[in-house]
Amino acid sequence: DVKVTQSSRYLVKRTGEKVFLECVQDMDHENMFWYRQDPGLGLRLIYFSYDVKMKEKGDIPEGYSVSREKKERFSLILESASTNQTSMYLCASSLQGVGPQHFGDGTRLSIL
Amino acid sequence: AQKITQTQPGMFVQEKEAVTLDCTYDTSDQSYGLFWYKQPSSGEMIFLIYQGSYDEQNATEGRYSLNFQKARKSANLVISASQLGDSAMYFCAMREGLVTGNQFYFGTGTSLTVIP
Repeated sequence: DVKVTQSSRYLVKRTGEKVFLECVQDMDHENMFWYRQDPGLGLRLIYFSYDVKMKEKGDIPEGYSVSREKKERFSLILESASTNQTSMYLCASSLQGVGPQHFGDGTRLSIL
Repeated sequence: AQKITQTQPGMFVQEKEAVTLDCTYDTSDQSYGLFWYKQPSSGEMIFLIYQGSYDEQNATEGRYSLNFQKARKSANLVISASQLGDSAMYFCAMREGLVTGNQFYFGTGTSLTVIP
């Protein structure tokens, strides 16, 4: 079974902090994705990556950056956290071209 | 235009009954994939079922089946013999083409409540 692991299930940070969310997958998937999920808005794509060191902006990249130095790891960075970034963050991975995305358990991030 | 449309924000079904969750999609690609995910209140997204655009048969996985009507661009999820544990949010998703870096598109979800 595919395993996508997010580093934290719950996280509380303060406004202005630099926040790192880590995601690791164990199935050698080329593609990795970061979404945020807010009530009534569904899943919104922040960034995705289809190869090591490659990244593409999604629908809402502002205030975020990503890093993919190794194939299995995709990090989401909140450069200077703000209260409007309080949300559920979901990481996913998939094979190139075909097949479903597989998701981690999500990180509920609160920015105070 | 929305790539994926789920018009039912909330649905109720009696335990042991069948329920259909609607999904329509919009694409001009000939090759695409359609997916359904379940998200319980605990938050994880669970992959349920997949339908490829060239598949002639409707996909089935246990109590889940996908009613694929290509000409109407619909991909409805049918859950048979509903159980209390089926209460969750359900998301329809699409993946276009086979190109590198192709994105997934998600609907806004349907909240299903199974009534005992």
